[in-house]
Amino acid sequence: GAVVSQHPSWVICKSGTSVKIECRSLDFQATTMFWYRQFPKKSLMLMATSNEGSKATYEQGVEKDKFLINHASLTLSTLTVTSAHPEDSSFYICSARDVLAGEADTQYFGPGTRLTVL
Amino acid sequence: AQSVTQLDSQVPVFEEAPVELRCNYSSSVSVYLFWYVQYPNQGLQLLLKYLSGSTLVKGINGFEAEFNKSQTSFHLRKPSVHISDTAEYFCAVSERGNAGNMLTFGGGTRLMVKP
Repeated sequence: GAVVSQHPSWVICKSGTSVKIECRSLDFQATTMFWYRQFPKKSLMLMATSNEGSKATYEQGVEKDKFLINHASLTLSTLTVTSAHPEDSSFYICSARDVLAGEADTQYFGPGTRLTVL
Repeated sequence: AQSVTQLDSQVPVFEEAPVELRCNYSSSVSVYLFWYVQYPNQGLQLLLKYLSGSTLVKGINGFEAEFNKSQTSFHLRKPSVHISDTAEYFCAVSERGNAGNMLTFGGGTRLMVKP
């Protein structure tokens, strides 16, 4: 089956530093990847849609300069949380859409990255 | 725009009992429907999906769901739950035929299976 990985799985950083999270589709190509944020005991909130070779599309209320997204290849998208603050602490989940699967809207999710900002 | 409502935030149930997790959606266009499961500190795993065809969809781990267009519902069921089914369950929709469209999630239902 389609596998999506995320790295790191858990990161702790000091306030003011930047953190990069990687999302990889391991056995399929993904022209579109999605980044979600999940607060404790809450649902997933879509942050942005990442398209290979073009700029990401951010949802309303998400700061594009704060959450930098790069989708440089068909198997890799990165989310960089710049100048992280404690309120950025959250569980970040990516998903990738397999456009060759024949089921147009199937997304496969990564295992998530827990970010803790001290 | 779509919206998804999961009516129960928590569902406690005893092991080997049947369970139904409710999901209702609202959309101005036809949609695809999904159920995902999330175990603690993990990402989401697809349980099942409805794209077209038979309205009764069978998924992994013995779960099934039925699409009811008139009631705009997609309730998830399992005839006999196990302790290992304890997790958070999310219902989601996406707009049919709109390639690359985002998923809209419900608020989630925490299934708690008791021995």
